[in-house]
Amino acid sequence: GAGVSQSPRYKVAKRGQDVALRCDPISGHVSLFWYQQALGQGPEFLTYFQNEAQLDKSGLPSDRFFAERPEGSVSTLKIQRTQQEDSAVYLCASSLRTSGNGGELFFGEGSRLTVL
Amino acid sequence: GENVEQHPSTLSVQEGDSAVIKCTYSDSASNYFPWYKQELGKRPQLIIDIRSNVGEKKDQRIAVTLNKTAKHFSLHITETQPEDSAVYFCAAVGAGSYQLTFGKGTKLSVIP
Repeated sequence: GAGVSQSPRYKVAKRGQDVALRCDPISGHVSLFWYQQALGQGPEFLTYFQNEAQLDKSGLPSDRFFAERPEGSVSTLKIQRTQQEDSAVYLCASSLRTSGNGGELFFGEGSRLTVL
Repeated sequence: GENVEQHPSTLSVQEGDSAVIKCTYSDSASNYFPWYKQELGKRPQLIIDIRSNVGEKKDQRIAVTLNKTAKHFSLHITETQPEDSAVYFCAAVGAGSYQLTFGKGTKLSVIP
């Protein structure tokens, strides 16, 4: 596709359930980012991949959060034992370049997670 | 780490008037400052960016200014139109870094 694609767009989970959120970046984009956006807030950095290597996971809020990008394209963000505070929109973004100041980040529409 | 403050949180202007949104950053090493526009339920999209070796950049009705000494940068929208209504986010990132740090956003409403 022409842009970054995320699925599912909406996910409702019961507290304690595991969820998996998928991101298809723009073809050929080296960098892939996950951001968490709480209601009324700006996106907050979670983790960064350069190709298949996860170079920074300092923004992951707890060890319940795990991300992978095994073949350097599609990425999955997994949240185990979901809690209500995990409710947010999870944004994926990709970039052609290897640094954050290298140019435009292209965002997906996001996956809105609601934990009941 | 970097900290970005953004003001105001909400802004209402009459159609045709100008709108100004201001941001400050804490890390003097930051050297790239993009602005993103996010319409309700949509993805953030880059509207303009500026690098630290430039003081001002303009693209049609949108301009961004940067004051490195004071560590603040601003977005200026002239001749506002209803379609400019959205949430605007400023961001900053340092040299060699990849973590964009975003402000909390400004909800701009343009009243016809």
